[in-house]
Amino acid sequence: AQSVTQLDSHVSVSEGTPVLLRCNYSSSYSPSLFWYVQHPNKGLQLLLKYTSAATLVKGINGFEAEFKKSETSFHLTKPSAHMSDAAEYFCVVNIRTGGFKTIFGAGTRLFVKA
Amino acid sequence: DTEVTQTPKHLVMGMTNKKSLKCEQHMGHRAMYWYKQKAKKPPELMFVYSYEKLSINESVPSRFSPECPNSSLLNLHLHALQPEDSALYLCASSPAQNRDFGSYEQYFGPGTRLTVT
Repeated sequence: AQSVTQLDSHVSVSEGTPVLLRCNYSSSYSPSLFWYVQHPNKGLQLLLKYTSAATLVKGINGFEAEFKKSETSFHLTKPSAHMSDAAEYFCVVNIRTGGFKTIFGAGTRLFVKA
Repeated sequence: DTEVTQTPKHLVMGMTNKKSLKCEQHMGHRAMYWYKQKAKKPPELMFVYSYEKLSINESVPSRFSPECPNSSLLNLHLHALQPEDSALYLCASSPAQNRDFGSYEQYFGPGTRLTVT
């Protein structure tokens, strides 16, 4: 069965400290992996994507993620949090199974304290 | 232009009304999507159009009727909705190559906040 698990529903960090949002996936197929961010009452914005090229992916606003096949993980990191990073983050897996399936993680709410 | 636009931003409708949501993109994307998002939940895929043909219908009730009149436009026609259909409705688009859209990132619009009374 295909699934995406975001291991933390909430993460709280202080401004200027590192951010780690964790995502594990389960798939029998080679997935395409994405991180999106959603600010309140807004649509989703792509942060970064992995599609079988480099395993370390750099995205916008200083975010990056590393694809680890052996651990089936795709964790999102940022060296230094900014107040504007406070938002909901979704890990998403697209699977081409002969058809198409997109699976969203449940989301992680990031809080940034001044 | 990397924007997906959605109209209206807000919509309040009664259970007997008929209304439509509209989505537009001018990025040349050939895949377009409708999602439903309830508060504090991830988006749920409803429909996918690829090259203006309906590719995926995730068992959505018939009171939701999608339409893709051309490669830039996507509509969602609403009729006889229930209060539990109140949600944020998101449209997205992505590139597609040879009708394969699974490898590509999606670009989302800001959504239509729908309230059914």
